[in-house]
Amino acid sequence: EAGVTQFPSHSVIEKGQTVTLRCDPISGHDNLYWYRRVMGKEIKFLLHFVKESKQDESGMPNNRFLAERTGGTYSTLKVQPAELEDSGVYFCASSQRTGNFYEQYFGPGTRLTVT
Amino acid sequence: GENVEQHPSTLSVQEGDSAVIKCTYSDSASNYFPWYKQELGKRPQLIIDIRSNVGEKKDQRIAVTLNKTAKHFSLHITETQPEDSAVYFCAASSPSGTYKYIFGTGTRLKVLA
Repeated sequence: EAGVTQFPSHSVIEKGQTVTLRCDPISGHDNLYWYRRVMGKEIKFLLHFVKESKQDESGMPNNRFLAERTGGTYSTLKVQPAELEDSGVYFCASSQRTGNFYEQYFGPGTRLTVT
Repeated sequence: GENVEQHPSTLSVQEGDSAVIKCTYSDSASNYFPWYKQELGKRPQLIIDIRSNVGEKKDQRIAVTLNKTAKHFSLHITETQPEDSAVYFCAASSPSGTYKYIFGTGTRLKVLA
């Protein structure tokens, strides 16, 4: 079974620019989560989708971040305009909606550097 | 708010020795506690997990213990090997929190050959 994939693996942009990160969850996983790890700190929750609906976006830092999951398959996370403090590794994870829904499968992450 | 504290932040052990990483959580509704291992440049991988109705779980050289009263849980790795070197994250999950994970800050484990 294919795992969670993320694109791009790395992105370097200048402050003020826009970046869009993409996550493809495991096929059939209704739950999709976005997390972020800023250098040396914990992996922090950003938001949670169930299919195309946002269930919890309490972790989104501010309105410069916009997440979508149209059609309930892949998700995108757009940062516009990017600031220096947005640098970090953005992880996506997915899980089943039934059965062992606790276990989240992580993607390899997108390393975002804002200069 | 909810948080998970993890100690130590770095840990060096000799090959063959044991390693213990400890976490404390704040949300008493948490009922699922996974441990992830992240090797350099790779994705976090689940290595073991425990639910709140169990006090201990073991899988070969890895074990996790949970003390619900004290809100502590720990990862124990015995007979460490160089390939155990990685960053380990503990997390807590609660049904009241849409099952999102609250992570600790990670422990960088180095196993010295």
